[in-house]
Amino acid sequence: AQSVAQPEDQVNVAEGNPLTVKCTYSVSGNPYLFWYVQYPNRGLQFLLKYITGDNLVKGSYGFEAEFNKSQTSFHLKKPSALVSDSALYFCAVRTTLNSGYSTLTFGKGTMLLVSP
Amino acid sequence: GAVVSQHPSWVICKSGTSVKIECRSLDFQATTMFWYRQFPKQSLMLMATSNEGSKATYEQGVEKDKFLINHASLTLSTLTVTSAHPEDSSFYICSARVVFPSYNEQFFGPGTRLTVL
Repeated sequence: AQSVAQPEDQVNVAEGNPLTVKCTYSVSGNPYLFWYVQYPNRGLQFLLKYITGDNLVKGSYGFEAEFNKSQTSFHLKKPSALVSDSALYFCAVRTTLNSGYSTLTFGKGTMLLVSP
Repeated sequence: GAVVSQHPSWVICKSGTSVKIECRSLDFQATTMFWYRQFPKQSLMLMATSNEGSKATYEQGVEKDKFLINHASLTLSTLTVTSAHPEDSSFYICSARVVFPSYNEQFFGPGTRLTVL
């Protein structure tokens, strides 16, 4: 079964410092990996995805993620954190259901807190 | 990107009543929509896959008779929580899948907060 793991419940970083939110995956075949962000009482907003090609993927709001096949990781990064980046971040992998349809399976989420 | 809306954004109801949540794709047609449930500080759990013109496919452990899903058109799917109880209180999020040209990308609605008293 396809799955992703986010080992950290919470990440704390000071504004202006680089941030990393970790994600590892377990898939058979080639993984389709995604990062989403959720603000309080809001739906999910797409940040970026890896399908194929360059291992460094650039996304919205200055975020990027590096696909590392040998470490089965897809960590989310940003060079300089903003207080407004504080939110809940989800890593996800495309999963094929028993019905044959494909959907997204999410990690448990990591709360990012950026202090002023 | 494609826009998905949900209505209502929040609802409070009495135990035993039924609540209908609408999910609309505003600027694209979605043959497939997904319904997720999210408990506080937890991840999204897939409840069911909704397909236009056919019966929904429910995930294991999700009660079909309690969570009725109707996908009547290519832009609208509804989730009805029947005889709601306090344990049904949750954040419900729908998602619609774009087939072309975005690699089957999923777009998410803003969610509906259901509180059952």
